[in-house]
Amino acid sequence: DAMVIQNPRYQVTQFGKPVTLSCSQTLNHNVMYWYQQKSSQAPKLLFHYYDKDFNNEADTPDNFQSRRPNTSFCFLDIRSPGLGDAAMYLCATSRRGSYNEQFFGPGTRLTVL
Amino acid sequence: DQQVKQNSPSLSVQEGRISILNCDYTNSMFDYFLWYKKYPAEGPTFLISISSIKDKNEDGRFTVFLNKSAKHLSLHIVPSQPGDSAVYFCAASEPDSWGKLQFGAGTQVVVTP
Repeated sequence: DAMVIQNPRYQVTQFGKPVTLSCSQTLNHNVMYWYQQKSSQAPKLLFHYYDKDFNNEADTPDNFQSRRPNTSFCFLDIRSPGLGDAAMYLCATSRRGSYNEQFFGPGTRLTVL
Repeated sequence: DQQVKQNSPSLSVQEGRISILNCDYTNSMFDYFLWYKKYPAEGPTFLISISSIKDKNEDGRFTVFLNKSAKHLSLHIVPSQPGDSAVYFCAASEPDSWGKLQFGAGTQVVVTP
């Protein structure tokens, strides 16, 4: 089945230790998104790629970076995680012309010790 | 600044009865609205949407109503089934925003036998 896969599902890191979360998709969608969702809050868009074009939200901290080496893969890098970065990170995709109907992965829950 | 608000964090409804989920927004530029459904340990999945040129959209047991003057939308589920127990997110987007969704914080629906 075509899907969005996120690895790992659970990630524990130490304060200040860089961490990378990965997302892959078999849907061949050209847009990929990263959301951050803190407990009981709304998912918040961090950035998205339209093909290889990177689009950062204005309020996304510089601590968050992303890479998209090809259509299928997208990575979220947190350079120096703080306690406030503990959250669920959701990856999503959408196809051209149907951007609002997004397909989400199961998320990676990040714990910062 | 939360532009999409779901003021009821939880809703309990009996099987067979109607579930009504509410969502309010503040941004008058929003022109497309969606509901996503999320089961535990899974990512959100698209459920139903409505464009601002309509005031109602129906898909099987699910109907979304939009009241633009009140900046309010609602999701009706009739009849409610145990499998509808999930978290429901309201989301909205502006025109030409390439899928930049603003989400509400979600409403947990529990359907009891």
